[in-house]
Amino acid sequence: QVQLQESGPGLVKPSETLSLTCTVSGGSISRYYWSWVRQPPGKGLEWIGSIYNSGSTNYNPSLKSRVTISVDTSKNHFSLKLSSVTAADTALYYCASMGGNHDYWGQGTLVTVSS
Amino acid sequence: DIQMTQSPSTVSASVGDRVTITCRASQSISGWLAWYQQKAGKAPELLIYRASSLQNGVPSRFSGSGSGTEFTLTINGLQPDDFATYYCQQYDTYWTFGQGTKVEVK
Repeated sequence: QVQLQESGPGLVKPSETLSLTCTVSGGSISRYYWSWVRQPPGKGLEWIGSIYNSGSTNYNPSLKSRVTISVDTSKNHFSLKLSSVTAADTALYYCASMGGNHDYWGQGTLVTVSS
Repeated sequence: DIQMTQSPSTVSASVGDRVTITCRASQSISGWLAWYQQKAGKAPELLIYRASSLQNGVPSRFSGSGSGTEFTLTINGLQPDDFATYYCQQYDTYWTFGQGTKVEVK
């Protein structure tokens, strides 16, 4: 059974870079797409971007200029960097692997942007 | 990019009711549509994939239909555990979620 666990700072200052890591256990990261999804408090789900094992990435056009997703197959984890954050980036950030009936999510980590 | 529009935003229902939620895509996504259930403070859980395929372990009172741009999630015989928020998601071109439909107690 694949399990995902997010880690990273829970508080980021405005204009700085948000950095999160998702560690994958119970399965190889060398298969499937690996994604980041966020959910602002009281709002809906927003896909941020995804990476495939080859390192190819796809990003939400609305965030593309600020997002970088990378993968480290030796550590079986993938990472998210979101630059120039504002209060609007405050959200519960999930890592996930989605695709048909292959569907696994982390528990989510709350990131607050505040000085 | 593909936009997903759900309706209604809120459904007020009672235990035993039949509930229907609609999702419309801004362009054809064939059958590349999933439905998720989310409860407060929890990660979304997959109910339906490929528009009408039931994920393992999901009760058969949940069903999905549609293709192209119009899709429906139906809950037949609403149970107390079903009061939650439901999201559609297209995965034809990257991923996009609908804005969500909250099923609340009438």
